[in-house]
Amino acid sequence: EAGVAQSPRYKIIEKRQSVAFWCNPISGHATLYWYQQILGQGPKLLIQFQNNGVVDDSQLPKDRFSAERLKGVDSTLKIQPAKLEDSAVYLCASSSSLGPFEAFFGQGTRLTVV
Amino acid sequence: AQKVTQAQTEISVVEKEDVTLDCVYETRDTTYYLFWYKQPPSGELVFLIRRNSFDEQNEISGRYSWNFQKSTSSFNFTITASQVVDSAVYFCALSEANTGNQFYFGTGTSLTVIP
Repeated sequence: EAGVAQSPRYKIIEKRQSVAFWCNPISGHATLYWYQQILGQGPKLLIQFQNNGVVDDSQLPKDRFSAERLKGVDSTLKIQPAKLEDSAVYLCASSSSLGPFEAFFGQGTRLTVV
Repeated sequence: AQKVTQAQTEISVVEKEDVTLDCVYETRDTTYYLFWYKQPPSGELVFLIRRNSFDEQNEISGRYSWNFQKSTSSFNFTITASQVVDSAVYFCALSEANTGNQFYFGTGTSLTVIP
């Protein structure tokens, strides 16, 4: 079974530029998450989708971050414009349903904003 | 307020030693779930275990064991006879029934096993 795929693995951009990350969850997984992991910290939820609907985006900085999950499969996370403090690893995860099921994580995208 | 506390930032042990990683959680829910994840240098979070709040039975899986104590709000993780491949950052996480399976992660414990 293929795992959660994310691209790119690494990205370096200048502040005020825009960037987009892509995630392909495990086939059949209805729930998709985007997490931000700042160096030395645990992952923090940015947004959670159930199929193509948003379940929780309370911690998403909506003035600069946006995410979508068209057709309830792939998802993209965008930052526009980026700030230095956005430097982090962005992790995508999926689980089979909404509930206390284990989430499977991708390898993440390491973003450096200079 | 921090829902999950992992007080140990870094631990180093010599290969074959036993090591316990501590996790203390905070919740007002009666129904909740606790998880441990391993994050090797590759960066991918690997699921290790899930426990629900109604099951305090300790669990053993090979060299791994988990001690869940509701009385102290702790869910500690022990690795017996540690190996170099156990070197990673370990995260404890909490999921509450009324928050749609959002994971609250601790800050992680970085374990280094020295050969």
